[in-house]
Amino acid sequence: AQSVSQHNHHVILSEAASLELGCNYSYGGTVNLFWYVQYPGQHLQLLLKYFSGDPLVKGIKGFEAEFIKSKFSFNLRKPSVQWSDTAEYFCAVNADNDMRFGAGTRLTVKP
Amino acid sequence: DAGVTQSPTHLIKTRGQHVTLRCSPISGHKSVSWYQQVLGQGPQFIFQYYEKEERGRGNFPDRFSARQFPNYSSELNVNALLLGDSALYLCASSNIGSTNEKLFFGSGTQLSVL
Repeated sequence: AQSVSQHNHHVILSEAASLELGCNYSYGGTVNLFWYVQYPGQHLQLLLKYFSGDPLVKGIKGFEAEFIKSKFSFNLRKPSVQWSDTAEYFCAVNADNDMRFGAGTRLTVKP
Repeated sequence: DAGVTQSPTHLIKTRGQHVTLRCSPISGHKSVSWYQQVLGQGPQFIFQYYEKEERGRGNFPDRFSARQFPNYSSELNVNALLLGDSALYLCASSNIGSTNEKLFFGSGTQLSVL
């Protein structure tokens, strides 16, 4: 079964800083990759997903992620964060109808 | 349209008891998945149901069971509760339950086992 690792437990940035959250997975077969976000007091919601095609995928609110198959990675990026990006971010991998989430990265953006 | 609704929102049980959690998917969605989220960790996949059939199962003991009804709502049952079952239980729905589909999550049921 696949596993998902998120490298950072808590990231603190100032507004306008660039963001990169790491995500690595272990699975040798075909995978579908996701980033979900949970804003304070809200449900988990999808930021972006990759299942085929262009490995650079763009999501909502200016986020993007790049699938690098050789590195088993799917890192999330945003060129300039805002205070409203403060949230918990979860990377997830779906293979063979088994969806696995990483432990999450808490992002705090200071105004 | 209503989102994914879960009931109850909070629940307190004692060890050895059983519990039933309920989930209503978004109207038109035929797939429901259940997740367990322990504090400080990501959601852990328990089950996926599509058209009342189990489509996927995570690494959870047989004390955990689920079913899906003709109206696509779902129940998660946990028997012989242990302290370690204390967690937030999330339900998610999707349209056809394919592996690349977006999941819509509910707000969860917070279960405390004493």
